[in-house]
Amino acid sequence: GQQLNQSPQSMFIQEGEDVSMNCTSSSIFNTWLWYKQDPGEGPVLLIALYKAGELTSNGRLTAQFGITRKDSFLNISASIPSDVGIYFCAGPRAGKSTFGDGTTLTVKP
Amino acid sequence: EPEVTQTPSHQVTQMGQEVILRCVPISNHLYFYWYRQILGQKVEFLVSFYNNEISEKSEIFDDQFSVERPDGSNFTLKIRSTKLEDSAMYFCASSGGGPFNYGYTFGSGTRLTVV
Repeated sequence: GQQLNQSPQSMFIQEGEDVSMNCTSSSIFNTWLWYKQDPGEGPVLLIALYKAGELTSNGRLTAQFGITRKDSFLNISASIPSDVGIYFCAGPRAGKSTFGDGTTLTVKP
Repeated sequence: EPEVTQTPSHQVTQMGQEVILRCVPISNHLYFYWYRQILGQKVEFLVSFYNNEISEKSEIFDDQFSVERPDGSNFTLKIRSTKLEDSAMYFCASSGGGPFNYGYTFGSGTRLTVV
């Protein structure tokens, strides 16, 4: 089946630092989604990307849809403690989404 | 902000028992989904539902699983005879758009513990 590989698996950063994580696939996707999951909660959609090469921002978050349509990255600028959580990329196709394994972000104050 | 509501938040059941997990999707959404997340692992697709029928299901969604939209507001996931490995967080999601709008809204999940 389709597999999405996320890296890094976990990150420990200092408050104020910028963060970058990415997601790659062996398959082409026409849409890339980035979600954040807080402990004990469901994933919350952060950014949706619909076009290859697209660069989209949502506050301090910026995501890009790779030109090959097989990858995407998410940047968080000037991290704050509430950025802590698990970040998932997801590639939807035909009524379902395949999720990556997630990147766990820890922000030290 | 509209929400997807799931009940119960935590369910403990004995192996072999039937469980029904309940979800109230966002009222004007047309596409409904169940996902599960085993502790510490990624979110896995189970099933999607549109126009009162299953549109897609994964290999996890075997004969022990079924979904229903009994009354136009609730969306349920039934596991007929639970196994220990069914222990997981089960998330319901809904979306309003068509096949090219995947901006799901997830509920907060039901933690199912099979003992």
